[in-house]
Amino acid sequence: AQTVTQSQPEMSVQEAETVTLSCTYDTSESDYYLFWYKQPPSRQMILVIRQEAYKQQNATENRFSVNFQKAAKSFSLKISDSQLGDAAMYFCAYRSPGTQGGSEKLVFGKGTKLTVNP
Amino acid sequence: DTAVSQTPKYLVTQMGNDKSIKCEQNLGHDTMYWYKQDSKKFLKIMFSYNNKELIINETVPNRFSPKSPDKAHLNLHINSLELGDSAVYFCASSYGLAGDEQFFGPGTRLTVL
Repeated sequence: AQTVTQSQPEMSVQEAETVTLSCTYDTSESDYYLFWYKQPPSRQMILVIRQEAYKQQNATENRFSVNFQKAAKSFSLKISDSQLGDAAMYFCAYRSPGTQGGSEKLVFGKGTKLTVNP
Repeated sequence: DTAVSQTPKYLVTQMGNDKSIKCEQNLGHDTMYWYKQDSKKFLKIMFSYNNKELIINETVPNRFSPKSPDKAHLNLHINSLELGDSAVYFCASSYGLAGDEQFFGPGTRLTVL
């Protein structure tokens, strides 16, 4: 079974600075998808960024980018120019491609709580 | 318009009661899911349905029974509630295609007293 590990329960960053959240995963599959979700205090789960394992290029979404190291099974999230609104729990998630619709469950890490200091 | 909605958002009840949580999506998705987030914020899949067919049943006690009357709805019924059932329950939906984003509802915080 796949597992996802986030080794940093909590992180803090100064506003406008850069922070990197770590994530490693364990799988024997070669084809899969990786995600970072954000959960602010409102509780809503929001997709931040997605990476397909077959793509060598790291995904970027505005201030958010990933460092995907397939051989090392590592998928870190970098947040540049941190803003107060970035404060939230961040979850790394793994997903197999699945053999049929509905079988592609998300496997989550335990989350990293990010605090942004003004 | 809300993409994935859940009712109620908060549910407080006594041990032993039976309760239901409803989920509806207006995204035209084929697949719907239930996830449980425990008190330590850990999220885990419970069930998934594809076109009203149960696909994933992740070793959940049989006191939990999902029901999908149609593609747009997935309800969760819980019998004989226990203290350990206290959690936030999230409904999600997607097209069920590889790499597809799962859209989450706002969550239902269930407290069992």
